Amino acid sequence: ELQLVQSGAEVRKPGESLKISCKASGYTFTNYWIAWVRQMPGKGLEWVGIISPRDSDTRYSPSFQGQVTISADNSITTTYLQWSSLQASDTAMYFCARGRYYTYGVYSWFDPWGQGTLVIVSS
Amino acid sequence: EIVLTQSPDTLSLFPGERATLSCRASQTVSKSYLAWYQQKPGQTPRLLISAASTRAAGTPDRFTGSGSGTDFTLTISRLESEDFAVYYCQQYGSSPFTFGPGTTVDIK
Repeated sequence: ELQLVQSGAEVRKPGESLKISCKASGYTFTNYWIAWVRQMPGKGLEWVGIISPRDSDTRYSPSFQGQVTISADNSITTTYLQWSSLQASDTAMYFCARGRYYTYGVYSWFDPWGQGTLVIVSS
Repeated sequence: EIVLTQSPDTLSLFPGERATLSCRASQTVSKSYLAWYQQKPGQTPRLLISAASTRAAGTPDRFTGSGSGTDFTLTISRLESEDFAVYYCQQYGSSPFTFGPGTTVDIK
């Protein structure tokens, strides 16, 4: 079964670092892009960025460039989203989602989605 | 960056009625690379439509996507109880891949 399983909810203080994960199964991990999407409480969806596990090609939304890092570990079919210094404004639900087959390039809709990881940043 | 505007913000309808949701882009969406998602409270988004009009696996045929260029529409022909949700459009024709703010379809 094709699925993306994300790590559990996290509570951190401002200034702390964090790395959340998204483990893929049920398909060839390196053949598809993986994206990260933010949803702040009660708000809409925002595209954070996307990575190709095949060659680690990574693109970021300008809104998130320099604020987060997306990476992948092909040996364990897992993608990561990390922060070096969290801010209260990073409080949100973060979803990973599979993009398209790599031959289509980075231009992806997203399906399926992971269950989401809630990140709470509070002093 | 392409900005997507969705209208209306909220659509209040009875079950069985037709819903028409609009998504307008600030620039032409390349190759009609426009997707629609459904999100119910407490759930993850679900892909309904890609490439403006191609239903995803499992999407009922009462959902129809149409449009090109800068104007796109999602039509739900006869609303069923499980269709009351928030709908987002997303363009993936040019990076950054942006989402619209969403349209809430609720029960009148």
